[in-house]
Amino acid sequence: EPEVTQTPSHQVTQMGQEVILRCVPISNHLYFYWYRQILGQKVEFLVSFYNNEISEKSEIFDDQFSVERPDGSNFTLKIRSTKLEDSAMYFCASSESKTGETQYFGPGTRLLVL
Amino acid sequence: AQSVTQLGSHVSVSEGALVLLRCNYSSSVPPYLFWYVQYPNQGLQLLLKYTTGATLVKGINGFEAEFKKSETSFHLTKPSAHMSDAAEYFCAVSRYNQGGKLIFGQGTELSVKP
Repeated sequence: EPEVTQTPSHQVTQMGQEVILRCVPISNHLYFYWYRQILGQKVEFLVSFYNNEISEKSEIFDDQFSVERPDGSNFTLKIRSTKLEDSAMYFCASSESKTGETQYFGPGTRLLVL
Repeated sequence: AQSVTQLGSHVSVSEGALVLLRCNYSSSVPPYLFWYVQYPNQGLQLLLKYTTGATLVKGINGFEAEFKKSETSFHLTKPSAHMSDAAEYFCAVSRYNQGGKLIFGQGTELSVKP
């Protein structure tokens, strides 16, 4: 069964450093999403992406964040200058439907900012 | 704005007992409703969804949920709990014209006692 994959599974970084989280969505999907879950809190929407453009972003997704589909398979989330409060589990999801009725989630990347 | 409230952050049942996980939503337009499950160290897996049509929806692993518009609820049930059902369960809502952005509840951790 096709699945969304994410790398790395865990990343530790120093405050102020740049991190890139990588996702490989399901191959025929066209709609992509990033969510995050701070420990003990809700899963929160960050951004949706379609046709090489951001479709929607949340208030969390400020200028420190960017997304890119650098090639036909990868979908990346970059945090330019990490803060302590960026420590969270980051989930990538993909969907073949514009309504995102069925979003398939990856296993997540646990980011720890020290 | 849409929101989701899950009543009870922890629910414990005995093996073979009824599972009932509560979810109430707020939405100004007819919502799409979802239940996701997260097993330890894994991503979010879709259990079931309601978009339109029949209000009682069946999902994987014997779970089902009923959309009750008058009560703004979408409670998840399973007649007989198995040990393997122990996991975190998330209720989520989206709107058709929001491109699939999911708004999640806080999550309910289900424990199953032998």
